[in-house]
Amino acid sequence: EAQVTQNPRYLITVTGKKLTVTCSQNMNHEYMSWYRQDPGLGLRQIYYSMNVEVTDKGDVPEGYKVSRKEKRNFPLILESPSPNQTSLYFCASSLDTGATDTQYFGPGTRLTVL
Amino acid sequence: AQKITQTQPGMFVQEKEAVTLDCTYDTSDPSYGLFWYKQPSSGEMIFLIYQGSYDQQNATEGRYSLNFQKARKSANLVISASQLGDSAMYFCAMSPASSSNTGKLIFGQGTTLQVKP
Repeated sequence: EAQVTQNPRYLITVTGKKLTVTCSQNMNHEYMSWYRQDPGLGLRQIYYSMNVEVTDKGDVPEGYKVSRKEKRNFPLILESPSPNQTSLYFCASSLDTGATDTQYFGPGTRLTVL
Repeated sequence: AQKITQTQPGMFVQEKEAVTLDCTYDTSDPSYGLFWYKQPSSGEMIFLIYQGSYDQQNATEGRYSLNFQKARKSANLVISASQLGDSAMYFCAMSPASSSNTGKLIFGQGTTLQVKP
């Protein structure tokens, strides 16, 4: 089944404890992206990757890191999480970034930072 | 400015009836894609339907259809024969060609749909 997977789905952690949210897609998509969703602020792009080894900042990259060593994986790293990073996180992927390319989202990761 | 507007924060519909969720968009790009996503209470973001700016016909996917009126810059989602499982938040999103360097989708605020039995 074609899909984007994320792990973990739910995570409660404490301030400063490094964590990684994994994202993997099996559709051979070139493009991958991370969003966070917050009430009243909608979905905001954190980082994106056009293809392997190419990543760039989105609108809200502070406090996050990413890497794209393989086409299928695009982990999101929080080196020192803070409470303001409590959010619902989505990984998305698409074949390319043209206007006709549909982005498929992972199931989301609910992160709570205490 | 590139923007998506969904003016209905919440809507109710009776089971088995049709419902229309409104979406208007603003872009100066001649080429763009319009998407609808469903977000149930469990949180996933599920792709429903796509309409391209150059498509002559309205898109349809099963019970979902997109009423695309280009001159009015609207892309309303029509759900026919509503089911209880359709209760969710629905997001309209746009991918203008000018965003192809970032791939960022522009989302509306969402509409919460509740289907009554």
